[in-house]
Amino acid sequence: NAGVMQNPRHLVRRRGQEARLRCSPMKGHSHVYWYRQLPEEGLKFMVYLQKENIIDESGMPKERFSAEFPKEGPSILRIQQVVRGDSAAYFCASCQARRMNTEAFFGQGTRLTVV
Amino acid sequence: AQTVTQSQPEMSVQEAETVTLSCTYDTSENNYYLFWYKQPPSRQMILVIRQEAYKQQNATENRFSVNFQKAAKSFSLKISDSQLGDTAMYFCAFMDLTGGSEKLVFGKGTKLTVNP
Repeated sequence: NAGVMQNPRHLVRRRGQEARLRCSPMKGHSHVYWYRQLPEEGLKFMVYLQKENIIDESGMPKERFSAEFPKEGPSILRIQQVVRGDSAAYFCASCQARRMNTEAFFGQGTRLTVV
Repeated sequence: AQTVTQSQPEMSVQEAETVTLSCTYDTSENNYYLFWYKQPPSRQMILVIRQEAYKQQNATENRFSVNFQKAAKSFSLKISDSQLGDTAMYFCAFMDLTGGSEKLVFGKGTKLTVNP
């Protein structure tokens, strides 16, 4: 059973470009969380999704950021018109039916660098 | 809003010795979970140990144990018989079960170095 897969591991974008980060949850998991880790900081919650639904996006910046988790395929975190401040590591975690309290399975993260 | 504070940015310990990492949190809720995660240089977030707030007994996982003081809102991690592979960032995290989304709130981390 493969773990949570994130790709790419590293992504370099120029200012103004779009960044697309992908997260494939563990088999059988239908809930995905996205977190952002700035340098020298802990992870900060961005968004929580179920298949085809956004449940909680209270941590997501209002502009330029969007997330989806379609019925088929990976969850996508999309950042439009990236700026230097978007440079960070982005992690996703998956769980079965809101069982994060038992164990959260994290991916290895995508490190986004905006130049 | 819940907050998690890790007051030790960096710590070091000799191999085979014991080290304790501190964590305090702030919440008005009564029902929650607490976690310690390890993040080695590979950046993978690895769950070390978790504690349910309604359980008085401190959680243990092999060489890792916690000292959970609910009234003081303190949740320290003790690593016994430290090994070189324990070198990593350690994050304390809080999960509020009443909010619905069960998101994690992380501290800023403690960088632990185990010296040979």
